[in-house]
Amino acid sequence: QAGLTQPPSVSKDLRQTATLTCTGNNNNVGNQGAAWLQQHQGHPPKLLSYRNNNRPSGISERFSASRSGNTASLTITGLRPEDEADYYCSAWDISLSAWVFGGGTRLTVL
Amino acid sequence: QVQLVESGGGVVQPGRSLRLSCAASGFTFSPWRMHWVRQAPDKGLEWVSLISSDGSNEYSADSVQGRFTISRDNSKNTLYLQMNSLRPEDTAVYYCARELDGFDIWGQGTMVTVSS
Repeated sequence: QAGLTQPPSVSKDLRQTATLTCTGNNNNVGNQGAAWLQQHQGHPPKLLSYRNNNRPSGISERFSASRSGNTASLTITGLRPEDEADYYCSAWDISLSAWVFGGGTRLTVL
Repeated sequence: QVQLVESGGGVVQPGRSLRLSCAASGFTFSPWRMHWVRQAPDKGLEWVSLISSDGSNEYSADSVQGRFTISRDNSKNTLYLQMNSLRPEDTAVYYCARELDGFDIWGQGTMVTVSS
């Protein structure tokens, strides 16, 4: 099953802003939106944003999600050392009747 | 607190079977769609299977279709994954997750290793 496309790695300086992208198609991101997850090494993923771009309770306002066409984005402002992690997007694909994930982006905070 | 706890992982030979369980606590289990998601060592997340709240609908990834079966027992607040004809490429940490427009609650995962 085809997945979503994410850049493998992004590096940004402390206190700067990072924007991570996730590209799908009209059957998944373009139709249903994308959810975003953060995963630190050795831990389960944590939901950062629902498909409707809303944040779950307890997630910092520094994390914001958006969508334009078939591309979803996650913007992280005021980067902190603890933001260094792997970030995944996910979406329901109405054609495949399956959830699809992106390959993940490793964010390095310099 | 809201919690999912997986169990049943281990080392198994290719071609054999294994059943994973996921016990839910701290929330009402029955209204939620539930999933299994796996992660091979040093790899990304891969969606495995989904079951509707009442168990009447199931969907699975092509990679496990016909070999894995998801089920649930709402009276026991438990999700299951029956894995048959296991292959080395099924080696991964298996997570159960709750879903509402995204996977909002995850278990800690259980490791499955398929090796002779």
